[in-house]
Amino acid sequence: GENVEQHPSTLSVQEGDSAVIKCTYSDSASNYFPWYKQELGKRPQLIIDIRSNVGEKKDQRIAVTLNKTAKHFSLHITETQPEDSAVYFCAANAGGTSYGKLTFGQGTILTVHP
Amino acid sequence: NAGVTQTPKFQVLKTGQSMTLQCAQDMNHNSMYWYRQDPGMGLRLIYYSASEGTTDKGEVPNGYNVSRLNKREFSLRLESAAPSQTSVYFCASSEALGLGTEAFFGQGTRLTVV
Repeated sequence: GENVEQHPSTLSVQEGDSAVIKCTYSDSASNYFPWYKQELGKRPQLIIDIRSNVGEKKDQRIAVTLNKTAKHFSLHITETQPEDSAVYFCAANAGGTSYGKLTFGQGTILTVHP
Repeated sequence: NAGVTQTPKFQVLKTGQSMTLQCAQDMNHNSMYWYRQDPGMGLRLIYYSASEGTTDKGEVPNGYNVSRLNKREFSLRLESAAPSQTSVYFCASSEALGLGTEAFFGQGTRLTVV
């Protein structure tokens, strides 16, 4: 089955700096790669996603890049703000007949210091 | 729309007791999922239901059973709870299996088995 590795497990930045979180996946048939943000005690919520037919997607301060050949994708947050502090999860869908199933990375705890 | 609703929000069980976690969605989604979240391990899929009338095992199904009661409802049952099942449980739903689409999560159930 799919295996998703996420790094780093913790990331601490100063307000205004950029933050980058990286993930690798194993199933070459995966074609959907979402990123979720989870605030303390809350449910995970989608912040951005990318499909395999594009290499990059941007939404204001957030961008995701995908390298299908190397099987890795990354989340980039620019001009970080204290409210960006949360746990971030990457995920990849399963290939074959189970496209809807998501396998998640282990999570990155992002702390943005004012 | 309420989205995905889980009950209960908190539960304490004694080892060997049984319980059912309830989940309902009002977004007319075909696919529903149960995940568990443990520190440092991300979200791991327990069971999923691609469509009404079907269920399949995920990554960590042992000790659990599920029922897809109708298109809206997907329940998770612990027949004989064990301390290793102490976790936060999330139900999720998505539009369709076979497409890469956003998974919407419930608010979670924090379960402690003593």
